[in-house]
Amino acid sequence: DAGVIQSPRHEVTEMGQEVTLRCKPISGHNSLFWYRQTMMRGLELLIYFNNNVPIDDSGMPEDRFSAKMPNASFSTLKIQPSEPRDSAVYFCASRKTGGVNQPQHFGDGTRLSIL
Amino acid sequence: GDSVTQMEGPVTLSEEAFLTINCTYTATGYPSLFWYVQYPGEGLQLLLKATKADDKGSNKGFEATYRKETTSFHLEKGSVQVSDSAVYFCALRRTQGGSEKLVFGKGTKLTVNP
Repeated sequence: DAGVIQSPRHEVTEMGQEVTLRCKPISGHNSLFWYRQTMMRGLELLIYFNNNVPIDDSGMPEDRFSAKMPNASFSTLKIQPSEPRDSAVYFCASRKTGGVNQPQHFGDGTRLSIL
Repeated sequence: GDSVTQMEGPVTLSEEAFLTINCTYTATGYPSLFWYVQYPGEGLQLLLKATKADDKGSNKGFEATYRKETTSFHLEKGSVQVSDSAVYFCALRRTQGGSEKLVFGKGTKLTVNP
């Protein structure tokens, strides 16, 4: 079975540019999560969706960040304009809701470097 | 708010040594507890979980017991291998209120030398 698929795996761009990260969750999973991982702050939840609806975006750092989930099989995380402090590894995860035993499944992440 | 505290790394062990990574949590109610593992260049993978007090999660020789009295979920393995070198994250999810959020510890990097 295909896992969570993220693209691109690596992104290097100059500050001020728009960055779009993409995620395809596991088929049948109805919750989707975006995380950011840095050395300083560890793993932070940015936003999560349930049935394509944003439920909690309290972790989104500021208005430069936005996330969408137009359908059950696709989500984007956009940064506009990007800044060097946005450099991090961004993970997408999905989960099948219904019961406490369902774990989150993570993609391999997008390593973002803003110059 | 909810939080998870892990022992700070890095931890360096020789092959076949005993491993303990401490994890304590603060949460209201009765959260579910997890250990995730992250190998270099990869995302997190669920290693084991426990959903109620005194439950023991186990997988690949790793074990952790949900101790409500000490609010702990320490990870142990009796004999580590070089292939266990990774970063280990303890996490909780509150089961009341329908929250999907996982709260992670900062991670503990383990290096096992041959």
